[in-house]
Amino acid sequence: AQTVTQSQPEMSVQEAETVTLSCTYDTSESDYYLFWYKQPPSRQMILVIRQEAYKQQNATENRFSVNFQKAAKSFSLKISDSQLGDAAMYFCAWGFYNQGGKLIFGQGTELSVKP
Amino acid sequence: GAGVSQSPSNKVTEKGKDVELRCDPISGHTALYWYRQSLGQGLEFLIYFQGNSAPDKSGLPSDRFSAERTGGSVSTLTIQRTQQEDSAVYLCASSYRAQETQYFGPGTRLLVL
Repeated sequence: AQTVTQSQPEMSVQEAETVTLSCTYDTSESDYYLFWYKQPPSRQMILVIRQEAYKQQNATENRFSVNFQKAAKSFSLKISDSQLGDAAMYFCAWGFYNQGGKLIFGQGTELSVKP
Repeated sequence: GAGVSQSPSNKVTEKGKDVELRCDPISGHTALYWYRQSLGQGLEFLIYFQGNSAPDKSGLPSDRFSAERTGGSVSTLTIQRTQQEDSAVYLCASSYRAQETQYFGPGTRLLVL
């Protein structure tokens, strides 16, 4: 089965500090891509970052970066200089190039940011 | 409109009634996806459209669920004879092509009483 596991249901970080959210997955596929999305209370899913599995270089987007370990099937998200607006539910997801683009999501990690 | 829109935002219905949920994708996006998010859960894939065709319907939970897309644009998800377990947030997403980044709408929260 193709699964995504986010082992941290809740995380907390102090404003301006750094936090890492973990995600692991299980697949026998080789051509895939990974996402982190955030979902604030408004329900709108917002793209945070995308990583292509064929790329060795870790993706970065401003204060957000990933640590992609393909062999370990691990895809963690690091948020630097945390801001109050980063508080949200964060979902790890992946898709396959031979499966039409449907995404498989983890259960989510609720991140709170303390002022 | 710049983003994906969905209507209604909220829907309350009685068990056994039919409901229709609408999704307007980003203009020019050929791929459209429906997902379901039950309380406190991650998103569960329902169906994928490429143009007006649905090459992957594998996530539809029962034959009470159906969807269509017309004109390569608007999509409607229909749930017949709703059950309480259908209560969830239904999210729509679109992308320029399959496998490209999906952009989500705000969702429809469905409550079946």
